[in-house]
Amino acid sequence: EAQVTQNPRYLITVTGKKLTVTCSQNMNHEYMSWYRQDPGLGLRQIYYSMNVEVTDKGDVPEGYKVSRKEKRNFPLILESPSPNQTSLYFCASSLSSGGTAYEQYFGPGTRLTVT
Amino acid sequence: GQQLNQSPQSMFIQEGEDVSMNCTSSSIFNTWLWYKQDPGEGPVLLIALYKAGELTSNGRLTAQFGITRKDSFLNISASIPSDVGIYFCAGTNTGNQFYFGTGTSLTVIP
Repeated sequence: EAQVTQNPRYLITVTGKKLTVTCSQNMNHEYMSWYRQDPGLGLRQIYYSMNVEVTDKGDVPEGYKVSRKEKRNFPLILESPSPNQTSLYFCASSLSSGGTAYEQYFGPGTRLTVT
Repeated sequence: GQQLNQSPQSMFIQEGEDVSMNCTSSSIFNTWLWYKQDPGEGPVLLIALYKAGELTSNGRLTAQFGITRKDSFLNISASIPSDVGIYFCAGTNTGNQFYFGTGTSLTVIP
């Protein structure tokens, strides 16, 4: 089954404790992206990747890191989480970033709470 | 970042009624997208619009790309209970960076 998977689905952590949220897709998609969703703000893009080893900042990249060493994986790293990073996080992928291949497939989400 | 405003913020309608919602931006986009998010899940693409003035349908859903390129509209005809969810608009110019609206929450009363 074609899908985007995220782990963990739920995470409660403390301020300053490094964490990684994994994202994996099995559709051989070139483009992957991370978003955070907060009430009243919709989804905001954190980072995106057009292909292996190619990443760039989205609208709200501060406090986050990403890497794209393999096509299928795009982990989101919070080196020193803070309470304002408490949010619902979504990973998404699409065939490519060009032309009309904009259909992004979203993962199920990771709910992160930082205390 | 760019802000996309959606209205209304929420809607409560009777089953069978038609629904209209819109999305406005302070900047122009060359592609508009509409997504639906069911509770506890990620958004799913409903309709993509690539040309100003374009009108595109997907079943009971019809979306339009505004002439000014700063707005888009989504209509749902003859609503049914499974239309419940949050609807998001999104705009992009590069196909890399996407800007999402604040969402319209739809409740359909049977």
